[in-house]
Amino acid sequence: GAGVSQSPSNKVTEKGKDVELRCDPISGHTALYWYRQSLGQGLEFLIYFQGNSAPDKSGLPSDRFSAERTGGSVSTLTIQRTQQEDSAVYLCASSPGAGFNQPQHFGDGTRLSIL
Amino acid sequence: GQQVMQIPQYQHVQEGEDFTTYCNSSTTLSNIQWYKQRPGGHPVFLIQLVKSGEVKKQKRLTFQFGEAKKNSSLHITATQTTDVGTYFCAGTDSWGKFQFGAGTQVVVTP
Repeated sequence: GAGVSQSPSNKVTEKGKDVELRCDPISGHTALYWYRQSLGQGLEFLIYFQGNSAPDKSGLPSDRFSAERTGGSVSTLTIQRTQQEDSAVYLCASSPGAGFNQPQHFGDGTRLSIL
Repeated sequence: GQQVMQIPQYQHVQEGEDFTTYCNSSTTLSNIQWYKQRPGGHPVFLIQLVKSGEVKKQKRLTFQFGEAKKNSSLHITATQTTDVGTYFCAGTDSWGKFQFGAGTQVVVTP
């Protein structure tokens, strides 16, 4: 079946611009996660959505970052006034149930480059 | 706060040899997961451990959760070139915070 889909796969933008990254989770998965991975580094947790519950935003690095999930499915991560340190691969994952004790299925990520 | 550390950061292995990579947490974990990320790919879930002292095997891979639920290990026997990649552990602490380690990058020499 279809896996987690992310778009765009690559995004190059100028410093100061806003960007939107999209994630389509696996159909039927209720949990959705966003992570950031800098070159050669581990995964930095950003935000977690579970069903209709309030999202866990504890990992968002600044108020320039926001995310929403519409209809319990597609999610958009928005970065406003991008900075060069925002350059990274942004990974989305989904899982069939709630919490961090479920296997997470990752998309291929969006590689974001800020010039 | 919780810290999940992985050692070594890099592991160079001769094909056919065994090696072990370790994951250590500063706090007790309710679960630990292991993922593998091939070069240029995305992380793929391998396994989850939840019980103290639990040991699980997947072919040549053996995963262990420590008795105190603060550390875990991944042991690979008879390493193959297909084992190349970065292995990440990730765990959930008692406050529900989930954190990935920085990973162990494995390079296999034929």
